[in-house]
Amino acid sequence: GQQVQQSPASLVLQEGENAELQCNFSTSLNSMQWFYQRPGGSLVSLFYNPSGTKHSGRLTSTTVIKERRSSLHISSSQTTDSGTYLCALETNTGKLTFGDGTVLTVKP
Amino acid sequence: NSKVIQTPRYLVKGQGQKAKMRCIPEKGHPVVFWYQQNKNNEFKFLINFQNQEVLQQIDMTEKRFSAECPSNSPCSLEIQSSEAGDSALYLCASSHPGETDYTFGSGTRLLVI
Repeated sequence: GQQVQQSPASLVLQEGENAELQCNFSTSLNSMQWFYQRPGGSLVSLFYNPSGTKHSGRLTSTTVIKERRSSLHISSSQTTDSGTYLCALETNTGKLTFGDGTVLTVKP
Repeated sequence: NSKVIQTPRYLVKGQGQKAKMRCIPEKGHPVVFWYQQNKNNEFKFLINFQNQEVLQQIDMTEKRFSAECPSNSPCSLEIQSSEAGDSALYLCASSHPGETDYTFGSGTRLLVI
């Protein structure tokens, strides 16, 4: 079965609303990383968060290892937040395993 | 702007042709990864290096791809004989050993016609 499951697959918000993206994993991990993928394809690292909670501006990431989940919270969404959000976990093999992503659309 | 530089940005090849793409990792990052993202946005690990040595690669890469990371030159990934199914976004990433905070390049989008 798939090691990394992201939800929801897609999300449509009105500008100003909050978003909660989830990532569940079925295997032990060394690290968890959240990325934003621009429409052109480039990946921007948002958080490297193997455990606990981290903040960056309007973004918050929380990883709870024993529950095998990580979340990305976007507060006060803006149209420029639109794009694909990916979580990726690194196992002891040293490679990243990506989720299928959440496509976020923020409408003005 | 990404600290990992990938070229070319776009690549169009006919079936059976060679397709070569390059990656300059972030300065000070000796570990380099190549991933393929298909049209369904699914990622596939292809190969990784530490300095000039291959650490891991999948069977497809071993059989159909040629990859290297020479010292003082860009890393490269070359498909020996392109197939339609190779059409995808090829992403290069680098990291430092023991620090798994990866930096990705902007990718090379390959179209095989």
